[in-house]
Amino acid sequence: EPEVTQTPSHQVTQMGQEVILRCVPISNHLYFYWYRQILGQKVEFLVSFYNNEISEKSEIFDDQFSVERPDGSNFTLKIRSTKLEDSAMYFCASSKGGPRSGANVLTFGAGSRLTVL
Amino acid sequence: SQQGEEDPQALSIQEGENATMNCSYKTSINNLQWYRQNSGRGLVHLILIRSNEREKHSGRLRVTLDTSKKSSSLLITASRAADTASYFCATDVDQFYFGTGTSLTVIP
Repeated sequence: EPEVTQTPSHQVTQMGQEVILRCVPISNHLYFYWYRQILGQKVEFLVSFYNNEISEKSEIFDDQFSVERPDGSNFTLKIRSTKLEDSAMYFCASSKGGPRSGANVLTFGAGSRLTVL
Repeated sequence: SQQGEEDPQALSIQEGENATMNCSYKTSINNLQWYRQNSGRGLVHLILIRSNEREKHSGRLRVTLDTSKKSSSLLITASRAADTASYFCATDVDQFYFGTGTSLTVIP
């Protein structure tokens, strides 16, 4: 069964450092997403990406964050200057179609745990 | 916010009992989905119900949708210890928004 893979599984960084989280979505999916979950709490939408551009972003996704699809397979989330409150589990997900285009479901990766010290 | 709210926040039952979780949301939706999350893992899709459907079954799962009340319920029948997980509803309007989750513990 196709999977969404995320690396690293766990990253520890110092406050103020830049972090890049990587994701390989399912190959025939067209929509990509990043979600954040702070310590077992709610799953918060960060950003969606389609056709090589951001289609939607939440208020959490400020100038500190950026996403990129540098090649045909990877989808990355960059956090430029990490803060303590960025400590969370970051999930990448992908879907064939978007939320407005029919009954599409998300396939999630296993997550990248970010710890900011 | 488009996010749903699951109720209860936590539920503890004996193996073999049924578990019912509820989800309320705020705006009109196209579809509503339920996902499961095992501790420390990613979310896994369980079932999708379209806005024009009222009930849907998948194995031991039964989902209902009441668009007039903007609510859905997930029933897991004959629960097993392996059903212990967090369960989230997700609505799709502009984006896929998840609720706060119900933490289910099934005691063997």
